[in-house]
Amino acid sequence: DAGITQSPRHKVTETGTPVTLRCHQTENHRYMYWYRQDPGHGLRLIHYSYGVKDTDKGEVSDGYSVSRSKTEDFLLTLESATSSQTSVYFCAIRVGGADVETQYFGPGTRLLVL
Amino acid sequence: AQSVTQLGSHVSVSEGALVLLRCNYSSSVPPYLFWYVQYPNQGLQLLLKYTSAATLVKGINGFEAEFKKSETSFHLTKPSAHMSDAAEYFCAVSDNDYKLSFGAGTTVTVRA
Repeated sequence: DAGITQSPRHKVTETGTPVTLRCHQTENHRYMYWYRQDPGHGLRLIHYSYGVKDTDKGEVSDGYSVSRSKTEDFLLTLESATSSQTSVYFCAIRVGGADVETQYFGPGTRLLVL
Repeated sequence: AQSVTQLGSHVSVSEGALVLLRCNYSSSVPPYLFWYVQYPNQGLQLLLKYTSAATLVKGINGFEAEFKKSETSFHLTKPSAHMSDAAEYFCAVSDNDYKLSFGAGTTVTVRA
């Protein structure tokens, strides 16, 4: 257990509404990540953070924004949700030094956009 | 940029038979390689990782993987499948730019 929680675990929303997903860690790791999982695509990186207020885009960042105001929380926001953002969202943290960097994943948030 | 190809989106094996999941990667530098497993409605769990210490890597639940640089492969095997191995398996690669690239995944079903 890497001490990662995600909330909510399930969410149903309507097209055009804003949605914020939260990732919380208990171990003060510097790097945090947001991925989405879709059938046939594996996991794809949305955004990641390498410190408080330090974030960067991943492979599929369009339509998403993130914020990290404190080490333990990394928020993912869909400013105006679309049906194409229906997915399972996973948060991850990076653990270890340069030789053993490993990402550990949270339990996921299942989002349905109607 | 690195990428990962997993050959076969579905693999069906009999209980007690060999499990072989194929993963090929492309990377411009020596990579870090990972296998993760995902059980239904759960997050991803690390099975094993290659970080250049040894080409044959042993992981949890009896799985192992061999890094073959000449073939750019990192195939996952288990000598004898168990019903509890039914899950989806993901291969991932990192160039140590702190980001992972995942394959599309392989779903394993185990027949009694």
